[in-house]
Amino acid sequence: GIQVEQSPPDLILQEGANSTLRCNFSDSVNNLQWFHQNPWGQLINLFYIPSGTKQNGRLSATTVATERYSLLYISSSQTTDSGVYFCAPKGDSGYALNFGKGTSLLVTP
Amino acid sequence: EPEVTQTPSHQVTQMGQEVILRCVPISNHLYFYWYRQILGQKVEFLVSFYNNEISEKSEIFDDQFSVERPDGSNFTLKIRSTKLEDSAMYFCASMLGTEAFFGQGTRLTVV
Repeated sequence: GIQVEQSPPDLILQEGANSTLRCNFSDSVNNLQWFHQNPWGQLINLFYIPSGTKQNGRLSATTVATERYSLLYISSSQTTDSGVYFCAPKGDSGYALNFGKGTSLLVTP
Repeated sequence: EPEVTQTPSHQVTQMGQEVILRCVPISNHLYFYWYRQILGQKVEFLVSFYNNEISEKSEIFDDQFSVERPDGSNFTLKIRSTKLEDSAMYFCASMLGTEAFFGQGTRLTVV
């Protein structure tokens, strides 16, 4: 299956700081989603972004499918942004999203 | 807003027992999935289900696992004889065509 690498694995930010999370994938994709796993374990949809750029409030995401990477930008971080961020692309062949190992984010007051 | 619902939220079972995890996908969705997440690890794909049959399964989905869509609304995962290493959070997901939505998960603990 498609290989997914996320960086950095861990990140500590002070409230108000900005950050960029990266996701590299090994094959061409027709679907890519970003999720936030909150402290209760729920997977919250952030973006469906197989290509292009989208923004939702303080978050935005960009996928450059031809270069096989996606970026998630968090601006003016808040303590509620803490949790694990997963990138999950789906290859052109196959039905499943393939999750990376995630970036564990801690935002401190 | 439509959502995927899973029951139970927590289940504790003895090793060797059978468990059934239940999911109600979003009503007009066509693709259904089970994933699992062992504590502290990444989310792993188990199986996808489309048009009343398994469309893809991972190496994890061996003979002890089965899935069923017994009626028009429920989607179940059965683990026939649980092992300690089956302890994990199990997520159900559904998709219409593009974006997948996940349930809140069932935490399974095998003792």
